[in-house]
Amino acid sequence: QVQLQESGPGLVKPSETLSLTCTVSGGSISSYYWSWIRQPPGKGLEWIGYIYYSGSTNYNPSLKSRVTISVDTSKNQFSLKLSSVTAADTAVYYCARVNRGYSGYDLNWYFDLWGRGTLVTVSS
Amino acid sequence: SYELTQPPSVSVSPGQTARITCSGDALPKKYAYWYQQKSGQAPVLVIYEDSKRPSGIPERFSGSSSGTMATLTISGAQVEDEADYYCYSTDSSGNHRGVFGGGTKLTVL
Repeated sequence: QVQLQESGPGLVKPSETLSLTCTVSGGSISSYYWSWIRQPPGKGLEWIGYIYYSGSTNYNPSLKSRVTISVDTSKNQFSLKLSSVTAADTAVYYCARVNRGYSGYDLNWYFDLWGRGTLVTVSS
Repeated sequence: SYELTQPPSVSVSPGQTARITCSGDALPKKYAYWYQQKSGQAPVLVIYEDSKRPSGIPERFSGSSSGTMATLTISGAQVEDEADYYCYSTDSSGNHRGVFGGGTKLTVL
């Protein structure tokens, strides 16, 4: 079955760029959308953005100026870069597969498969 | 910005019915989804498209939606159902922004 695994540094210095990669195994990254979600310690979930395997993206407006999500179909991976990080960006970062459907004419999309998550701490 | 509102906590005794609500202005047009997150684990989808149950999710989990409120119902809650539950949906602005509710801590004791 399809599995997702996050990888990357667990510690990032303030003002630097956080970089994470999600590796998709057991299936192809093609024909799906893929997403990043984060959860600060003891707090709720926040959607960061998603990418289609073709490269088109959609970002949370609250993070859009600092976020870049990219995809490498040859490696079955997609990646997250978050620039100018502060302590407020300390969180568990999850990658997830996106599924889509319609309610009438309205597009809905959600996360049907998640990675285990990786904790990234922003500290000097 | 679009928001989904959940109660911070719900408490029931084992075997009782737990109901967790989620309110949002776009829910009449958009589906609600529900995630269960146990301590230290990744979220798991328990209800999608308002009321559908993914394979492997016990039948005691059900969902409904009416107007601006969606409800997750756990009939005959078990101790192992104790977890944080998050509703999720997308806004209707055309930006296709994903939004989570603040989460509800379900205590079963």
